[in-house]
Amino acid sequence: GESVGLHLPTLSVQEGDNSIINCAYSNSASDYFIWYKQESGKGPQFIIDIRSNMDKRQGQRVTVLLNKTVKHLSLQIAATQPGDSAVYFCAEKGYSSASKIIFGSGTRLSIRP
Amino acid sequence: DSGVTQTPKHLITATGQRVTLRCSPRSGDLSVYWYQQSLDQGLQFLIQYYNGEERAKGNILERFSAQQFPDLHSELNLSSLELGDSALYFCASSVAPSEDNEQFFGPGTRLTVL
Repeated sequence: GESVGLHLPTLSVQEGDNSIINCAYSNSASDYFIWYKQESGKGPQFIIDIRSNMDKRQGQRVTVLLNKTVKHLSLQIAATQPGDSAVYFCAEKGYSSASKIIFGSGTRLSIRP
Repeated sequence: DSGVTQTPKHLITATGQRVTLRCSPRSGDLSVYWYQQSLDQGLQFLIQYYNGEERAKGNILERFSAQQFPDLHSELNLSSLELGDSALYFCASSVAPSEDNEQFFGPGTRLTVL
């Protein structure tokens, strides 16, 4: 069935370095992908999204890359800061507004001082 | 603060009971979504409403139901509660139900079923 998963459940990064969080998805019909950040005790927060007609999208310190050939999504965080510590989820969705959103299992990002 | 409010913040109840979780979307948002986050299942989409009408259904059990009222707030009703229903329940809202409209999540309601 449909599934979205993450390659690494935890990631430890030195402060100031770049972080790369990976995600694999299995539904080739998915058209829209989102990255969320969830800090402890809070709800998920939208970070960045990308449509399937793009392969790269940049935000402030974050970049999402989409490789449809291998069904792979990644989130790059530049110059990682202590405030980036959180669990990061990728999510996929079909084109229709009635399509269900499917979340990956999450990657915990911890920052070493 | 996302602008989405959820009450109560915590809820402790017993198996077999029924509870109602409440969500107020951001001002101007017409679409509301409910999610369940548990340790073993992760974040699961339950149901979506748009302007009072059900829009999409996810992994919502028959014991669960929801509705969106004319003032756009939403309630999630959980009945015949089981231990496995213990989880965080999040509400999110967006301007419209389009697939690329950003969803803003509330702080969640933590439900504990004893």
